Amino acid sequence: QSVLTQPPSVSGAPGQRVTISCTGSSSNIGAGFDVHWYQQLPGTAPKLLIYANNNRPSGVPDRFSGSKSGTSASLAITGLQAEDEADYYCQSYDSSLSGSAVFGGGTHLTVV
Amino acid sequence: QVQLVQSGAEVKKPGASVKLSCKASGYTFISHYIHWVRQAPGQGLEWMGVINPSDSDTTYAQNFQGRVTMTRDTSTSTVYMELSSLSSEDTAVYYCARKSYSGRIDYWGQGTLVTVSS
Repeated sequence: QSVLTQPPSVSGAPGQRVTISCTGSSSNIGAGFDVHWYQQLPGTAPKLLIYANNNRPSGVPDRFSGSKSGTSASLAITGLQAEDEADYYCQSYDSSLSGSAVFGGGTHLTVV
Repeated sequence: QVQLVQSGAEVKKPGASVKLSCKASGYTFISHYIHWVRQAPGQGLEWMGVINPSDSDTTYAQNFQGRVTMTRDTSTSTVYMELSSLSSEDTAVYYCARKSYSGRIDYWGQGTLVTVSS
């Protein structure tokens, strides 16, 4: 059971908007630790998608955005494309675990 | 450019140990912590621990305490992760990954598949 909770799956049609939630607690997201998001395509290493809650690394389309409020964070993807079909993970740190990194369980996005 | 190049696939028997390497290049080795993260087949990402290459300070996940050891060699810019008392549940792809500002992980190794089978 992951410290950060994500829905196992979400789906959307091409062009639509989807959101993926990441729920934590007062010892991680709620404690002020930043939330980062990663995209993992099949058979590849994860790739940084959003950092520090709402920042995109160079090269990431602005269709991807992040937000954080209280003990939760969200990843939004607009204008869904077939190539967005992948697994998405949130990540933060937890003060109750000696500052250890923590991941969400991952969400599989299906573009139907 | 920043690169993390990991050692090749391993096959181990239950009860054995495995030591993986992760060679960093393209940046100042001692300036960034290195995480180890694993992913069992069809499963999510599991954080194992982190090492500070500057002073070898480590933090391990509770699930791996007593079984994992992370070390580094500054002369070769390489980080090592050794996992002992392997069982079939340790079959996974193991990634090393660079910790950057704000705690994000900005670069990942290509992953090393470890298979534990009798």
